[in-house]
Amino acid sequence: GNSVTQMEGPVTLSEEAFLTINCTYTATGYPSLFWYVQYPGEGLQLLLKATKADDKGSNKGFEATYRKETTSFHLEKGSVQVSDSAVYFCALSAGNQFYFGTGTSLTVIP
Amino acid sequence: DAMVIQNPRYQVTQFGKPVTLSCSQTLNHNVMYWYQQKSSQAPKLLFHYYDKDFNNEADTPDNFQSRRPNTSFCFLDIRSPGLGDAAMYLCATSRARLAGGNIQYFGAGTRLSVL
Repeated sequence: GNSVTQMEGPVTLSEEAFLTINCTYTATGYPSLFWYVQYPGEGLQLLLKATKADDKGSNKGFEATYRKETTSFHLEKGSVQVSDSAVYFCALSAGNQFYFGTGTSLTVIP
Repeated sequence: DAMVIQNPRYQVTQFGKPVTLSCSQTLNHNVMYWYQQKSSQAPKLLFHYYDKDFNNEADTPDNFQSRRPNTSFCFLDIRSPGLGDAAMYLCATSRARLAGGNIQYFGAGTRLSVL
């Protein structure tokens, strides 16, 4: 079946540190992959997406590359800010289904 | 500018007292979704509408119902809320079905408390 596994948190980083949140997936066919972000008290917002192998999604300094050979879609940012503190969800869509990972909480301290 | 609007943001109800949560959208999207999200967990899909076609997830309890009177509005009805139904409820929309990378747009959510 289809599923998403992402790195457990919480993750705490100092401002300007490098961020990686790991995400791997299991899917039949050719899924699309997403990262959503949820700021405290808010709904989910799309951060970036990739729809085919080797695509790189990027937004607000965040990047993730769709790696079919390793079934991964790791989220990276070179220099995090306090305002990046949120919960990050990796997700995939396949067929007409959408699957979320369990979320990784990130706290960035000044 | 809000595209998916959920009201109210916070809802308190009593054990067993029916409650309705509402969602409206200005995107004119065909598909509307309801998710339940409990603390520190991923959102769990309850059901979705593709236009007027209702699609229930197999493990969604009968206690949860939904109505979509028109393209813009969708309601979540909880007929007899239990303590375990306290959660954040998220509404989302997408232009079309999810195949092909269609994006879901989420509302800010309604946090439901059950006393």
